[in-house]
Amino acid sequence: NAGVTQTPKFQVLKTGQSMTLQCAQDMNHNSMYWYRQDPGMGLRLIYYSASEGTTDKGEVPNGYNVSRLNKREFSLRLESAAPSQTSVYFCASIRAGAYNEQFFGPGTRLTVL
Amino acid sequence: EDQVTQSPEALRLQEGESSSLNCSYTVSGLRGLFWYRQDPGKGPEFLFTLYSAGEEKEKERLKATLTKKESFLHITAPKPEDSATYLCAVQGADSNYQLIWGAGTKLIIKP
Repeated sequence: NAGVTQTPKFQVLKTGQSMTLQCAQDMNHNSMYWYRQDPGMGLRLIYYSASEGTTDKGEVPNGYNVSRLNKREFSLRLESAAPSQTSVYFCASIRAGAYNEQFFGPGTRLTVL
Repeated sequence: EDQVTQSPEALRLQEGESSSLNCSYTVSGLRGLFWYRQDPGKGPEFLFTLYSAGEEKEKERLKATLTKKESFLHITAPKPEDSATYLCAVQGADSNYQLIWGAGTKLIIKP
């Protein structure tokens, strides 16, 4: 089991460029999350997907879009990157009935110049 | 407004020197309080879930406790491998899925 995988690990963008962060889990989990982590702040939820085909906005969704492609994959897209989106992005998943015992990926460190 | 505050921001201990990390929370109806460990350059790793005041959970040198306003993570006789950032999060009654996270306490254990 690879658990939760994320690609890429590092990325540098220029303001206005677009990119998609990929996340996949092989644990047959239903729910998946996207977070951002900034220095001195707690993790903040960007988007959530309770199951394949459903997505909901979290605390900080502006500037992002998501796709729950299938049960395994949940991608995060930045259409026009801004310096304020410089952060570390984490994907997480939860199995049914585990009540918020989240499994996290290794993260993507994004810098927007 | 739901809020989580962790203290101290950083804690340096000698190997074997026991101490506690604090997580104070304000939430409308606690559904659960969660502790995670995060190593540098990695994603958080789940440690404990506490549901009600008075509850305690233990894992190796770690023990988590919960009151109506705060949680403590007690570390007994820590080893250098316990060095990490410890994160606390809460889920309120109004949320089916969203957690409110603290900024974490960075723990450094010196040999």
